[in-house]
Amino acid sequence: DADVTQTPRNRITKTGKRIMLECSQTKGHDRMYWYRQDPGLGLQLIYYSFDVKDINKGEISDGYSVSRQAQAKFSLSLESAIPNQTALYFCATSGSANTGELFFGEGSRLTVL
Amino acid sequence: DAKTTQPTSMDCAEGRAANLPCNHSTISGNEYVYWYRQIHSQGPQYIIHGLKNNETNEMASLIITEDRKSSTLILPHATLRDTAVYYCIVVKYSGAGSYQLTFGKGTKLSVIP
Repeated sequence: DADVTQTPRNRITKTGKRIMLECSQTKGHDRMYWYRQDPGLGLQLIYYSFDVKDINKGEISDGYSVSRQAQAKFSLSLESAIPNQTALYFCATSGSANTGELFFGEGSRLTVL
Repeated sequence: DAKTTQPTSMDCAEGRAANLPCNHSTISGNEYVYWYRQIHSQGPQYIIHGLKNNETNEMASLIITEDRKSSTLILPHATLRDTAVYYCIVVKYSGAGSYQLTFGKGTKLSVIP
């Protein structure tokens, strides 16, 4: 089983709908991240969390919200999806303060019509 | 954070060494160089990182110039499974242990039979 699991892996929805992407990890890491990737581009950081009580905005947080339900769970919500939020979304974790080594999930492909 | 510059694409013959360059001329003394790769649309995978000295692990070698303004990732014997986008990222460990990884567009490496 994957250490970082994302659900759903694929989702097609309509403009204005509320969408939640979920991420769970079995690595025991405190730090979790949500990234977005558009075709042909690198990853952009949406939100990150260093522990259950800590939530921080990344580069492109507008239109998104997150919830850290437990150490192992970090969900990303789109309250009212719009077509330019069509992208590949990745969840990642890291285990300690001084490291840039992230462990990524397999991605959630979201299409907003 | 220091920005990085990588070639858009490179080809490498199967079995030969793949040498992927990265320029980070504005890197500061406390910033590390990290390399990740992304195979097709999977989650990025950590490869290696370094500060000043050259580093080697089971996947690759990292050569950092003495002035630290550039580095080269070396895959010693490239295989078809090494075809991927390779990202060079500069990471700063802040005093609070917080950091953000900025993924650029990377280098698309194609390993040719």
